[in-house]
Amino acid sequence: DTGVSQDPRHKITKRGQNVTFRCDPISEHNRLYWYRQTLGQGPEFLTYFQNEAQLEKSRLLSDRFSAERPKGSFSTLEIQRTEQGDSAMYLCASSLVLGETQYFGPGTRLLVL
Amino acid sequence: QQQVKQSPQSLIVQKGGIPIINCAYENTAFDYFPWYQQFPGKGPALLIAIRPDVSEKKEGRFTISFNKSAKQFSLHIMDSQPGDSATYFCAASGGATNKLIFGTGTLLAVQP
Repeated sequence: DTGVSQDPRHKITKRGQNVTFRCDPISEHNRLYWYRQTLGQGPEFLTYFQNEAQLEKSRLLSDRFSAERPKGSFSTLEIQRTEQGDSAMYLCASSLVLGETQYFGPGTRLLVL
Repeated sequence: QQQVKQSPQSLIVQKGGIPIINCAYENTAFDYFPWYQQFPGKGPALLIAIRPDVSEKKEGRFTISFNKSAKQFSLHIMDSQPGDSATYFCAASGGATNKLIFGTGTLLAVQP
């Protein structure tokens, strides 16, 4: 078990471009979460999947953001028409259905120029 | 009501000291209170967690104290070491999704 992995680790893009991040949770973890962390702040919840179903989305997740978890395995987070305010660390976490411990990946740091 | 308030914002202690970080919450539906440690450029890593049916939990050098009536909880780090220098976040969760609501973090520096 190698833990939660995220790809890429860093992404620099120009304003208006689309970006996609990938998260591979710990195997057999049914719950998957996306959070966003800006400098000097704690992570903020974006969205939650149980298996392949997206069960909750934060109001932070504007219509430019979309997340998927096909087949209940890895997940992708896409940001369309990026804005400078999207610059942040995007964190993925996973947990077992009946457990509470969320294990975080290393994050994808996004910089929008 | 979803907020978790954390203090202090930063903390400097000498090696061997006992830094204490405090958090407070409003939402009585929260039923799980973890602490995470984060190093620069890394994701948060779980240190220790507590549920409101216990007032204290200890794991190694880390202790959580929990006061349900005051809706407050705190992290104590015994015999702190320079390697403990990191940012510490308290969090709370509850309900069907168990999404975590994080505090704003405490930057701890342990001087040798």
